[in-house]
Amino acid sequence: GDSVTQMEGPVTLSEEAFLTINCTYTATGYPSLFWYVQYPGEGLQLLLKATKADDKGSNKGFEATYRKETTSFHLEKGSVQVSDSAVYFCALRANDYKLSFGAGTTVTVRA
Amino acid sequence: IAGITQAPTSQILAAGRRMTLRCTQDMRHNAMYWYRQDLGLGLRLIHYSNTAGTTGKGEVPDGYSVSRANTDDFPLTLASAVPSQTSVYFCASSLDGSYNEQFFGPGTRLTVL
Repeated sequence: GDSVTQMEGPVTLSEEAFLTINCTYTATGYPSLFWYVQYPGEGLQLLLKATKADDKGSNKGFEATYRKETTSFHLEKGSVQVSDSAVYFCALRANDYKLSFGAGTTVTVRA
Repeated sequence: IAGITQAPTSQILAAGRRMTLRCTQDMRHNAMYWYRQDLGLGLRLIHYSNTAGTTGKGEVPDGYSVSRANTDDFPLTLASAVPSQTSVYFCASSLDGSYNEQFFGPGTRLTVL
């Protein structure tokens, strides 16, 4: 079935460091890919998305490129801030339109 | 403010008790979803509804039931709670079953003792 595998955390960084969270997927057909972010005590919010191969999603300084050849959708940010501390979830939506989530990666950014 | 509300915010429940988690959205979205979030497992879909009057089973439906009597409300019921149902429950909605973005409520933290 459809599934998402993302790097295990937790990840701890200093402010202005470069962040990468790896995400790979298994799916039939041509899924849409998403990154959701969950700030402490809140529900999930859509961070960015890509709906076809080679698309790049971007938002709030975060980027991810849909790589069909490597079945990946890695999240990157060039210079993180303390406010980026959160749990990040990679997700895919395939033919049945339901979201499949990865396990989540906890990111802590220290001042 | 438009969005999704969930109630209660948190609840401690004795095993064997019946519990209904409430979810209401005011965005006139057709599709609604219930997920549970457990550490190391991410979010798993319990039940969903693509439109009022219809429901479907997700990845982990056992022990849970839902109803969708109208567009706005999508309650989740635990008929006889068990400790393994201790989790954080999130309700979500989307414009329709094929629309990409799902919007999430703030969650309900449920503890079953």
